[in-house]
Formats: sequence, structure tokens, C-alpha cells
Amino acid sequence: ILNVEQSPQSLHVQEGDSTNFTCSFPSSNFYALHWYRWETAKSPEALFVMTLNGDEKKKGRISATLNTKEGYSYLYIKGSQPEDSATYLCAFNNAGNMLTFGGGTRLMVKP
Amino acid sequence: EAGVTQFPSHSVIEKGQTVTLRCDPISGHDNLYWYRRVMGKEIKFLLHFVKESKQDESGMPNNRFLAERTGGTYSTLKVQPAELEDSGVYFCASSPGTVGTQYFGPGTRLLVL
Repeated sequence: ILNVEQSPQSLHVQEGDSTNFTCSFPSSNFYALHWYRWETAKSPEALFVMTLNGDEKKKGRISATLNTKEGYSYLYIKGSQPEDSATYLCAFNNAGNMLTFGGGTRLMVKP
Repeated sequence: EAGVTQFPSHSVIEKGQTVTLRCDPISGHDNLYWYRRVMGKEIKFLLHFVKESKQDESGMPNNRFLAERTGGTYSTLKVQPAELEDSGVYFCASSPGTVGTQYFGPGTRLLVL
């Protein structure tokens, strides 16, 4: 059984604050780590797919880092805006094609 | 380009009834996946099609669930008979290859009463 853990479970920040959350995953048989942004009743939106140890990816104010040796990834949001409010999901991909998801971090940004 | 679409968006049925969920993947995507999120838990894998073949169905909970992908285009997931614990959000995703991003649909919210 693969365990993918995300922390914190939920987070309330003020508009303009920068924030980050963690995803930990098994360090063996690593293939890829995915980050998604999900608003309820909408499709989870793919943010990043990361495959190499030390990878850093950026999309606007959102960036992510990857450490496959110790089994963690960080997602950073710079200058949070109310529209960033969503659940952020990470998913681990080992040699198979199925994604194993963490429980998500629910972010709420107050104006 | 149209994304992954799912029908219906919501379904409320009684225990013992049958429900069929449909997924239309992104055109040209050979890989199609079904996932499920039950209340308060993580999204969990159900199965994976490559074209019309089941590549991996290790996540299917029991034989009340039947997935098909005739012709390698759209897929259906039938639950028969539905039980209370089947309530949740059923997601479909597709990808062009076996690696890389999986593109998700908005899900079907199933409530079994």
C-alpha cells in the first residue's frame, strides 16, 4: 500500500500572504509526482508533473520543488489571492500508470 | 479542444438500483482512467483502459462494478446493484500516452440512499 501524505489538511491565509504545503510519498519506485488544483464541482486542473530529483517548476505565482531521495515535494504560492482558494492535490506515480493521491490541502484565502 | 466530459453530473438513486456513468475522454487519448473519491477520503484509482483493453483493474472494489470501453472511445462504469458505500464522486481522466499528465473530468456525484 502506497502512502501519500499532505500537510496541512487545511490552511487559512490573508490575501497577499505567501504560503506553502507539503506532499510526502514513498521514495522507492518513483516515477513522477503530480500536483493538481481542484475546485469543488470542477475538473481537477493539472499544475505540474515532476519527474527528476531537484526539479523546480513554476506557473505564474505557483511553484513546486521535488526531492525524490527523501520523498517530498513542496508547493508554494506567492502573494495568495482569493481566486487561489481551492484544494491542492498531489499524486504519486510509480512504475504503473495509476495515480495514488494524498488527501489534499484545502486553501482558503481571505480578502 | 474539448476536455474530458462526464455524464451525468449528479445522480441520486436508491440502494439496489443500477446506475451507469459515462466518460468521454479527450479525442485521441488512448488511455482512460476511472477514479473515485468517497466522502472525506482520498481520490482512489479504480481502473485503466488502453484503447478498449483493461490494462489494470486492481482498484475495482467488487464485482458490482463493471467498466467498458467499446471501440476505444467513450467509457461507461455501471454499478449494479448500488450500495450505500458506493456514494462519492467518480472521476474519469485521460492521457495520450502512458506517462505524463492525466486530464480529469469534473466528476459524477453519486448519492445512494
